[in-house]
Amino acid sequence: ETGVTQTPRHLVMGMTNKKSLKCEQHLGHNAMYWYKQSAKKPLELMFVYNFKEQTENNSVPSRFSPECPNSSHLFLHLHTLQPEDSALYLCASSQDPRNSYEQYFGPGTRLTVT
Amino acid sequence: DQQVKQNSPSLSVQEGRISILNCDYTNSMFDYFLWYKKYPAEGPTFLISISSIKDKNEDGRFTVFLNKSAKHLSLHIVPSQPGDSAVYFCAAAEGGSEKLVFGKGMKLTVNP
Repeated sequence: ETGVTQTPRHLVMGMTNKKSLKCEQHLGHNAMYWYKQSAKKPLELMFVYNFKEQTENNSVPSRFSPECPNSSHLFLHLHTLQPEDSALYLCASSQDPRNSYEQYFGPGTRLTVT
Repeated sequence: DQQVKQNSPSLSVQEGRISILNCDYTNSMFDYFLWYKKYPAEGPTFLISISSIKDKNEDGRFTVFLNKSAKHLSLHIVPSQPGDSAVYFCAAAEGGSEKLVFGKGMKLTVNP
């Protein structure tokens, strides 16, 4: 595997379910990000992890819970979501966000909350 | 309040012609700008960037121009090819920040 991978690519879940999104980067980067892309809206940054430490939480509701066990893996745990949370969730990584703004994105997980 | 704006949702050009994609920003603290390209069912891929100390950066068929006084940047693609058909996102960052602020994107269609 190369680049940034995300699983699953598609997910349908009910409002009472608990599910997790997984992201893995094979680039040797130190920072990882979660973004949300809703229809007709810009990409919205959700969380930033730099060297496994969370450095940014962009006022995201607690029903979204990130986890970064190491620099290569990032999870987004989902529970009691709302239909308006349906969106494309993108993971990205970068070498060092303080020196390089170039982020490399995964293909995304298309989430539908019913 | 959107800090990065791509006011045109779409653009259609003929193969071989120039494509000009525009982006405006409101935050004068932004000092680094990037363009990303996104195909359907794929994540955005980095295309080209420019620092605020420059007013032009060129990479092959792609050139980005920055007008700091107007808080405006543009991406020129010459010559345009059908494979350039994608959604293009403009993004900006403040020095030392981990955050990229994205525009809504613009769909470019290059017709053969």
